[in-house]
Amino acid sequence: QQQVKQSPQSLIVQKGGISIINCAYENTAFDYFPWYQQFPGKGPALLIAIRPDVSEKKEGRFTISFNKSAKQFSLHIMDSQPGDSATYFCAASMMSGSRLTFGEGTQLTVNP
Amino acid sequence: NAGVMQNPRHLVRRRGQEARLRCSPMKGHSHVYWYRQLPEEGLKFMVYLQKENIIDESGMPKERFSAEFPKEGPSILRIQQVVRGDSAAYFCASSPLENEAFFGQGTRLTVV
Repeated sequence: QQQVKQSPQSLIVQKGGISIINCAYENTAFDYFPWYQQFPGKGPALLIAIRPDVSEKKEGRFTISFNKSAKQFSLHIMDSQPGDSATYFCAASMMSGSRLTFGEGTQLTVNP
Repeated sequence: NAGVMQNPRHLVRRRGQEARLRCSPMKGHSHVYWYRQLPEEGLKFMVYLQKENIIDESGMPKERFSAEFPKEGPSILRIQQVVRGDSAAYFCASSPLENEAFFGQGTRLTVV
């Protein structure tokens, strides 16, 4: 059962533009929502994470928006740079369970 | 502070052989998770371990796969009698808490 759906599958953005990746979840018991960045041949690296008691979290150029009633959350990358080109995964987990359920990933390409 | 260390980085096995993947968690981390990533897919949870205990193995195939995290030494993911479908990247993650997971660089298993 796919519990975290991610879109789009791929995204091309011009340098300086805004990249937006969306995720939707089904399990209302999820209460931790991280985003991971993965470069080819590397492991996923934690980028930013949010808990459902806040609707937005910002760290530098990266912002998570969270809509609890819609069971959706999104990653916004402001002023996108070619170095941001990577695969991005959203994920979700429960405090008690700890296992992460990942979305299918979005391959982001930022053109110079 | 070294990150999560996985070895080997690349492993080639013939069909029917055994594959042993090792993971040393970050210092102070007592929770270890194993995930599998098929080409161009997201990460799928396999197993969650604490020292000397398997906490959740619901993502682990029932046959040929096993995992351990002994009191001393790294966590081991063992795949017996490998088949071509086992070819994938296997990632280990560790955390001091149940949610903040940090990933290793992965072991890329190729079955020929």
